[in-house]
Amino acid sequence: EAGVTQFPSHSVIEKGQTVTLRCDPISGHDNLYWYRRVMGKEIKFLLHFVKESKQDESGMPNNRFLAERTGGTYSTLKVQPAELEDSGVYFCASSPAGKAYEQYFGPGTRLTVT
Amino acid sequence: AQSVTQLGSHVSVSEGALVLLRCNYSSSVPPYLFWYVQYPNQGLQLLLKYTTGATLVKGINGFEAEFKKSETSFHLTKPSAHMSDAAEYFCAVRTSGNQFYFGTGTSLTVIP
Repeated sequence: EAGVTQFPSHSVIEKGQTVTLRCDPISGHDNLYWYRRVMGKEIKFLLHFVKESKQDESGMPNNRFLAERTGGTYSTLKVQPAELEDSGVYFCASSPAGKAYEQYFGPGTRLTVT
Repeated sequence: AQSVTQLGSHVSVSEGALVLLRCNYSSSVPPYLFWYVQYPNQGLQLLLKYTTGATLVKGINGFEAEFKKSETSFHLTKPSAHMSDAAEYFCAVRTSGNQFYFGTGTSLTVIP
C-alpha cells in the first residue's frame, strides 16, 4: 500500500511568487491534514479536510494560503504571494474515516522563500 | 489549551545506553498521546501511541512509553540505543478535536 506522497520535495522561490504544494493521501482515507514546521519550532496544524470539505481551518495563518481538495482525493496548498516567514516544511497526513487519531504522514515539502 | 513540551532539543547517548526522551503535555480532556520519529529525508513515522487502556505502550524498534496522568508525562524509552536510532523524535497529543499538537522535537545522536 502506497503511503502519503507529497510533491515537490523541495521548492525555492522568491518573495512575492506563488507556490503550490500537492499531497496525495493514502487511497481511501477520507481525512487529510496539512501541518507546517517552521525551522526549530513545533509542527503546527494548518487545516483538516473530510473528503472535499474543510472541517477545520483554524490553523491557516492568513488569506495568502489556500487549500483545496477537489473530488476528495489529492489536495493542494497554494501560497500566494509567498513571504519570507512562510519558509518551512509542510507536512500532509491522512487518516481513515472515524480514526482521526491514526494519522499517517508524508515526507514533507521543504519550502524556502528568499 | 493543549500543548506539548519536549525537554532537550538535542540528546546524545552512547551506543548500548538507555535512551530517555522526555515529553510533558497539557490537556483539558483525556489525551491521546503519540511519538513519531523522523529519519533524515523521510516523513514522520509513528513509533507508538496511547489511546486508552494499558498505560505502558510498546512500539516499533524496541521503544516504549508510559502514560503517567499524575505527572502529565509520556516519556519515551529504549533500553539499549542503536546507531540506527539516530533521528528526530516528536511527541504529540490529540485531545477533543482532530488536531495533533506537537512538541518542538528532540534530535537524538548515538555515539559509537
